[in-house]
Amino acid sequence: AQTVTQSQPEMSVQEAETVTLSCTYDTSESDYYLFWYKQPPSRQMILVIRQEAYKQQNATENRFSVNFQKAAKSFSLKISDSQLGDAAMYFCAYSAGANSKLTFGKGITLSVRP
Amino acid sequence: DSGVTQTPKHLITATGQRVTLRCSPRSGDLSVYWYQQSLDQGLQFLIQYYNGEERAKGNILERFSAQQFPDLHSELNLSSLELGDSALYFCASSAGTHNTGELFFGEGSRLTVL
Repeated sequence: AQTVTQSQPEMSVQEAETVTLSCTYDTSESDYYLFWYKQPPSRQMILVIRQEAYKQQNATENRFSVNFQKAAKSFSLKISDSQLGDAAMYFCAYSAGANSKLTFGKGITLSVRP
Repeated sequence: DSGVTQTPKHLITATGQRVTLRCSPRSGDLSVYWYQQSLDQGLQFLIQYYNGEERAKGNILERFSAQQFPDLHSELNLSSLELGDSALYFCASSAGTHNTGELFFGEGSRLTVL
């Protein structure tokens, strides 16, 4: 069974600084998707970034980028120039493919200090 | 706005009662997923339907059942409710075509069992 591990329950970052959130996963599949979702206090689940396992290039979305290490089964999220609005819970998630369920990690609460 | 609609947004009921949560997926999405989010269990996958048929089952209790109707909306039925069933229940959908693996989440239904 696929598992997703986020070992850090909480992190804090100074506004305008950079922070990296860690995630590891376990799978026997060779092709899959990885995601980072953001859950702000409104509780809405918002997609931050996605990565397809067959792509070697790390995904980037504005201030958000990932470090995808397939051999190590590691998928970390880097947030640059942190903003107060980035404060939220962040979930790492794995999917075996299109129209497949997501398996989530336990999440990490990120706080941003002004 | 993800395009996924869940009702009701909030629900308060008593132990032993039965409730029904409703979800309308994004237009054109064939897959519907139900997740339960509680403080101690994180985001747990319950069940997935694809075009009216059950596709995958997760940690769904026997007291819970779901179905997807011909118009693709879905309902999650929770019966013989216990205090521990208090949680945020999310519905999500995924695209039938041009699928990127992403799930689109509704705003959730918060269930409180007293």
